[in-house]
Order: sequence, then C-alpha cells, then structure tokens
Amino acid sequence: AQSVAQPEDQVNVAEGNPLTVKCTYSVSGNPYLFWYVQYPNRGLQFLLKYITGDNLVKGSYGFEAEFNKSQTSFHLKKPSALVSDSALYFCAVRDRMDSSYKLIFGSGTRLLVRP
Amino acid sequence: EPEVTQTPSHQVTQMGQEVILRCVPISNHLYFYWYRQILGQKVEFLVSFYNNEISEKSEIFDDQFSVERPDGSNFTLKIRSTKLEDSAMYFCASSLGRRAYNEQFFGPGTRLTVL
Repeated sequence: AQSVAQPEDQVNVAEGNPLTVKCTYSVSGNPYLFWYVQYPNRGLQFLLKYITGDNLVKGSYGFEAEFNKSQTSFHLKKPSALVSDSALYFCAVRDRMDSSYKLIFGSGTRLLVRP
Repeated sequence: EPEVTQTPSHQVTQMGQEVILRCVPISNHLYFYWYRQILGQKVEFLVSFYNNEISEKSEIFDDQFSVERPDGSNFTLKIRSTKLEDSAMYFCASSLGRRAYNEQFFGPGTRLTVL
C-alpha cells in the first residue's frame, strides 16, 4: 500500500536560515511526488513535483526538493526562509504503476519562521 | 491565475440533514475530485469524476455521498443524511489530465460541522 510519512509535526526556523521539511514515501512501483502548501483560509497550493530526471526539483517561491530513491525521501528545502513561508506543508505521492486517481498525503508539517 | 473556488466556506448542519457542497473547478480542467480532512488527520481521497461519471471512489464514499456536475461549471458533493463523523474540511480539486504526473489544483475548502 502507498503511504507518506512526514515525521515532524512542526519545524521552527529563524528568518534567513535554511529550512528542510522532511518526507518519506512508500510505493510498490516508482513514485510521482508532490509538495503542497496551505496558508490559513486557503486551499492546498501546488509547490512542485518530481516526475523523472534530475533529482533536484525547483518550484514556486524559491522552494526546491530533492528526490532520493535509496532513502525513499523527498525533502522540501529552501536556502533562506521568510516569515511569509510560515504555513502547513503537505507531501503527497502517486504510484506511476497505479491506475488510481488519488493522491496519498502525509499528515502535514507546520513551518514556523520567526523574525 | 485560475483557481478552484468552493462555497460555502463554513457549513453548520444538524445530524440527519442533507448538505450540498459546491465547487467551481478551473475552467479547462476535465477531472474533478473531492477530498476531506478530519481535524488532526490526513487529507483523504473521496472520489474522482470524469465525463459525467464517477471514475474512482474510496471506501469512505458510501451511499450517503453523491457527486454531480449539474452544469458546465459547478461540481457538487451531496451528503444525504449527515452524521457527526462527517464533520471535516472538504476540499475540491481539479486537474487537466488524469495521468499520475498531472498535479491537482485544490480549492480553499468547506468546513462542515455536524451537530
């Protein structure tokens, strides 16, 4: 069965410092991986995705994520955090061998960037 | 930038009542989805819809639930007789294609409270 784990409920970082939000996945085949962000009173906004090719994927708002097949991880990163990055971040996976339409989500990680 | 919209933002209802949650997907998208998130839990897939029929549904999507695209723009989720455990945030999403690498775009959600 497919699953996604986000081991940290909350990540705290000072503005200007690098941030990492962790995600590991489990699929039977090869994954498509996604990161979404949720700001208060807003929907889940797509940030970036990994399909194939370069393991480092760049997305919106300066975020990037690194796919690591051996560690089954897809950690979200940003070199320099902004206070406005404070939000709830969700990792999601789809198995490319699975005909299902559904995204499998992690439990979410709250990022708090302090000034 | 086109967005998925949902109404109402918050719905309060009595147990046993019918509710209809409304969504307007992105206009050129062909695939539509409903997900829900019970407070403190993961975002869970409910149903996908294409070409005026359900293409996939989860175990959660029982006979109490139905979906409809009554016109060219709206996509609705109906719960016939609400239960306390239906209280959740309901997210509508849409995608251009059905391939596993197509990102799904989410609305801001409707918070359903069943009393």
